[in-house]
Amino acid sequence: QSVLTQPPSASGTPGQRVSISCSGSTSNIGSNTVNWYQQLPGTAPKLLMYRNSQRPSGVPDRFSGSKSGTSASLAISGLQSEDEADYFCAAWDDSLNGPVFGGGTKLSVL
Amino acid sequence: QVQLQESGPGLVKPSETLSLTCTVSGDSVISGNYYWSWIRQPPGKRLEWIGYIFYTGTTNYNPSLKSRVSISVDTSKSQFSLNLSSVTAADTAVYYCARAGFTISGVVHYFDYWGQGNLVTVSS
Repeated sequence: QSVLTQPPSASGTPGQRVSISCSGSTSNIGSNTVNWYQQLPGTAPKLLMYRNSQRPSGVPDRFSGSKSGTSASLAISGLQSEDEADYFCAAWDDSLNGPVFGGGTKLSVL
Repeated sequence: QVQLQESGPGLVKPSETLSLTCTVSGDSVISGNYYWSWIRQPPGKRLEWIGYIFYTGTTNYNPSLKSRVSISVDTSKSQFSLNLSSVTAADTAVYYCARAGFTISGVVHYFDYWGQGNLVTVSS
């Protein structure tokens, strides 16, 4: 089954900028838009970014997204302690005919 | 405010059928703008899409689960349900229901509202 690849962990100090990558293939990221979810411990995922770089209402502009070819990235600037969470990327996969998810990146704010 | 709430047993015996229901409030399952979806997350593993249903009853399932999955909708109760048959320990997971926006070609854009999740353990 097609999957998206993310680094298992990332970290930064308050105020820093961190970036999380998501690598896919031509059947998913290469052909469709990417969305990102934030999952705080013990809670459901929350939509953080859709259509590669669009923020839902209420998501701070410290969060930004981009896509190039078969990869995407999520950037968080002005890192805050409340940003400590798991971050997942997702995209539709044409081969699966359904959405696929990344394995998640655990962000630590040191 | 759109809310989704899963309900169902937290423990299912191997070889039996896992059944969960998602109740939708703040929106209608007969809204033609969304798919109503099930997603699961085994402990320590990635999210896995299970399938979704449109209010007309049209469904789309993950091929890896298709032979065991059935999703139905009850528009009168604003609910949709998941049945997963012949479960094994590998089906132990937190099961989420979610609302999915889609494009005119039927591609899921995103999941914008999620239930809080229902941990289902498969064990005798």
